[in-house]
Amino acid sequence: GAVVSQHPSRVICKSGTSVKIECRSLDFQATTMFWYRQFPKQSLMLMATSNEGSKATYEQGVEKDKFLINHASLTLSTLTVTSAHPEDSSFYICSASSTSGNHNEQFFGPGTRLTVL
Amino acid sequence: AQSVTQLDSQVPVFEEAPVELRCNYSSSVSVYLFWYVQYPNQGLQLLLKYLSGSTLVKGINGFEAEFNKSQTSFHLRKPSVHISDTAEYFCAVSHVRDDKIIFGKGTRLHILP
Repeated sequence: GAVVSQHPSRVICKSGTSVKIECRSLDFQATTMFWYRQFPKQSLMLMATSNEGSKATYEQGVEKDKFLINHASLTLSTLTVTSAHPEDSSFYICSASSTSGNHNEQFFGPGTRLTVL
Repeated sequence: AQSVTQLDSQVPVFEEAPVELRCNYSSSVSVYLFWYVQYPNQGLQLLLKYLSGSTLVKGINGFEAEFNKSQTSFHLRKPSVHISDTAEYFCAVSHVRDDKIIFGKGTRLHILP
C-alpha cells in the first residue's frame, strides 16, 4: 500500500528557533500534500494544502509566514515552523493524496511531535 | 460546508462486547465518508470509507459502517471488540469534488478487561 513517512518523529527545540519537518511519499507520486495540526486529545485541523510546484493554500487563521510549506517534488513536502514558540508545540501530521479512481485518497504519515521549550 | 459530529467523546466497553461509535454529518452536497483510527502517538490509519454503492461498508480489523442518507449518519460498528482496539476513532467527510477532509472531534474507545 501507499506509505507516507515523516521526519523527524519527535523534535524538541528552543523558543525562537526554526524547525523543519519533512513529509515523503515513499512508493507513489503525490500531487497534493496536506498538513494538519493536532492538539492533545483533539481532532486534526487542516493547516494547508500544497500542490507540487505551486504555493500552498492556507486555511483561515493559519499564518503563512510562520508555517512555511514547500512542495518541491512529487514525493516531498516540508513544513518549517519559523521562530517557534511554546504555543506551537503540537503533533503535526501530513498526508499525501494519490488518485484512486474518482477519489483522491489521502495517506497519512506517522506524525511529528514538536515540543518548544 | 461540511461538518462532522461525533456524539461521544469516550466510549467504554467490555472486551468481546459489541460497540457502536456514532457519527453524523452535515452537507448540502454529495460527500465521501471515512473512519480513521489513531493509536497513541501515531498517525491515522484508514479503517473504511464510503464512496458510493452499497451502504454497508466493511473495513479492516472487523469493523463495518453503514451509510444512512436520510439520517445523515455513518455509524461504526464491531460485533466483538478486543483490547487491541483501544484507540481514538475519527469520522471524516469530504466533498466529492474536493480533496479536503473534515474530521470529527474523535471518540476514544476504551476497552475494559
